[in-house]
Amino acid sequence: GAVVSQHPSWVICKSGTSVKIECRSLDFQATTMFWYRQFPKQSLMLMATSNEGSKATYEQGVEKDKFLINHASLTLSTLTVTSAHPEDSSFYICSARSGRESEKLFFGSGTQLSVL
Amino acid sequence: GQNIDQPTEMTATEGAIVQINCTYQTSGFNGLFWYQQHAGEAPTFLSYNVLDGLEEKGRFSSFLSRSKGYSYLLLKELQMKDSASYLCAVMDSNYQLIWGAGTKLIIKP
Repeated sequence: GAVVSQHPSWVICKSGTSVKIECRSLDFQATTMFWYRQFPKQSLMLMATSNEGSKATYEQGVEKDKFLINHASLTLSTLTVTSAHPEDSSFYICSARSGRESEKLFFGSGTQLSVL
Repeated sequence: GQNIDQPTEMTATEGAIVQINCTYQTSGFNGLFWYQQHAGEAPTFLSYNVLDGLEEKGRFSSFLSRSKGYSYLLLKELQMKDSASYLCAVMDSNYQLIWGAGTKLIIKP
């Protein structure tokens, strides 16, 4: 199956700093990428949807100026958590959808963000 | 390498019972998740098992055997709305989620 690589796996940062998380589709072109966050034992919460070359669409309640999403190419999307605070500590997961299999999502391995 | 195996597709009849199996080989183990995903939507959390045994939650139950690297999701009294993909995911020793490819469950009247 298709592979989505997410990096870094872990990040610990100080409050007020910015953190960038990368999501790459390794063997297919991802026309659409999704970013989620997950709290322990809870469902993935969709944060935003990004289509290559266009601005991301954010879900209600997600601050677009805080969570910057860039989908500059068909194989790479990045999520930047700006001015991170302890309440931003969470597990962030990306997924990608190929136009060829438009109903199937391929998931990254996740990034655990801890803000001190 | 790390690997999660689950059937690609299963078909069952409304009102019946279906068992979706998941076998895994991972670097360490910090729990196994089952998610339900309807087409075009984000996955919905169903269960989390970290200890051996069966956990029941309404019509859905999840079983885990760590020694066998095996889990199953049991769905009872199937309803048409249960038609979805069911994803098995294991959290490894680095707290990374390793995802199965998902099992597409088709429910027939």
